[in-house]
Amino acid sequence: KAGVTQTPRYLIKTRGQQVTLSCSPISGHRSVSWYQQTPGQGLQFLFEYFSETQRNKGNFPGRFSGRQFSNSRSEMNVSTLELGDSALYLCASRRNSNTEAFFGQGTRLTVV
Amino acid sequence: AQTVTQSQPEMSVQEAETVTLSCTYDTSENNYYLFWYKQPPSRQMILVIRQEAYKQQNATENRFSVNFQKAAKSFSLKISDSQLGDTAMYFCAFMANYGGSQGNLIFGKGTKLSVKP
Repeated sequence: KAGVTQTPRYLIKTRGQQVTLSCSPISGHRSVSWYQQTPGQGLQFLFEYFSETQRNKGNFPGRFSGRQFSNSRSEMNVSTLELGDSALYLCASRRNSNTEAFFGQGTRLTVV
Repeated sequence: AQTVTQSQPEMSVQEAETVTLSCTYDTSENNYYLFWYKQPPSRQMILVIRQEAYKQQNATENRFSVNFQKAAKSFSLKISDSQLGDTAMYFCAFMANYGGSQGNLIFGKGTKLSVKP
């Protein structure tokens, strides 16, 4: 059974650009959550999607957005990148009633 | 708002010894889950163990066990017979249970564990 797949693994972008990260959940999982991990702030929740609807949202500016497709794959987009957006972005998937979240290996975003 | 605190930024232990990682949390919720996740250098976040708040019995998974003190809002992880492969960052996490749906994971800052040969 394939795990959670995040692409790309590494990304370098310039300030002001935008970026799109992708997450393919485990087959059968309908919930996808996104987390930002930085040395200073630790792991912070961005948002959760369930059956193509945003179910929960963390305290991030509107530059951070996401969506989920009918096959449960999810994308997150960050517009007008800032240096402080440099982080490891982790995606996690889980079933509707299963509390266990399975994480992908993350996308390392560097903004220069 | 819920918070999770891990007071030990770094710890080390000799191979085959036992080590305990501390975690405290704050919440007004009565139904919730607690987790310990491991993040090795590969960055893959791996679930080590979970505890349902309504269960009084402490969870165990092979060499890993927890000491869950609900009244004290404490959730420590004990690793027995430490192995070199246990070297990783360990995160304590909280998730509220709102009836049929769950909230998001709230993580502590992590404890970097080094197992020395």
